[in-house]
Amino acid sequence: EVQLVESGGGLVQPGGSLRLSCSASGLTLGGFEMNWVRQAPGKGLEWVSYISSSGSTIYYADSVRGRFTISRDNAQNLLYLQMNSLRAEDTAVYYCVRLRMYSGLPFDDFWGQGTLVTVSS
Amino acid sequence: DIQMTQSPSTLSASVGDRVTITCRASQSISDWLAWYQQKPGKPPKLLIYKASTLESGVPSRFSGSGSGTEFTLTINSLQPDDFATYYCHQYDTYYRTFGQGTKVEIQ
Repeated sequence: EVQLVESGGGLVQPGGSLRLSCSASGLTLGGFEMNWVRQAPGKGLEWVSYISSSGSTIYYADSVRGRFTISRDNAQNLLYLQMNSLRAEDTAVYYCVRLRMYSGLPFDDFWGQGTLVTVSS
Repeated sequence: DIQMTQSPSTLSASVGDRVTITCRASQSISDWLAWYQQKPGKPPKLLIYKASTLESGVPSRFSGSGSGTEFTLTINSLQPDDFATYYCHQYDTYYRTFGQGTKVEIQ
């Protein structure tokens, strides 16, 4: 059974840092492009960041660029999101999402269960 | 960024109804559109990709259509398990965007 499991969430003060991890079972993460997507409590979905399968190509949403860093360790089957200078508006459930290639473009097909990040004093 | 606008925001329906959700993109995205279902406390579940391709294991009462800027998700004969929030999602660019969601409620 394919599983993506996020960890590392929790309560952090504004201006603080957290590192999220996403571990995979039942699949080799290194074969897939990945996204982080977040969802604020009671709100919709917001794409955060993308990383290619090799880690050589990375994109960020404007709302997190310069504060968040996506990375991966394919040997360890892990995906990361380093979050610095956290703000109250970063409070959300963070999902790691696998991308599947179909007909030329990758789409988000499988989501982890998510980890909650709460930024509050 | 490509803006995705869903309508309605909330939809009240009964078991057995046919429901339709609309999603409009602020610019053409060809057919690079997916639909997800989300239930409280759970991650989104993929229903449809490339506008009209049904994901494996998803009941055939779900269907998608459209291209360019106008898309629809149709649920034929709504079942109790279908009461949830639905999101459209464009993947025409790596800078993904989502619709704001449509909550399908029991009438």
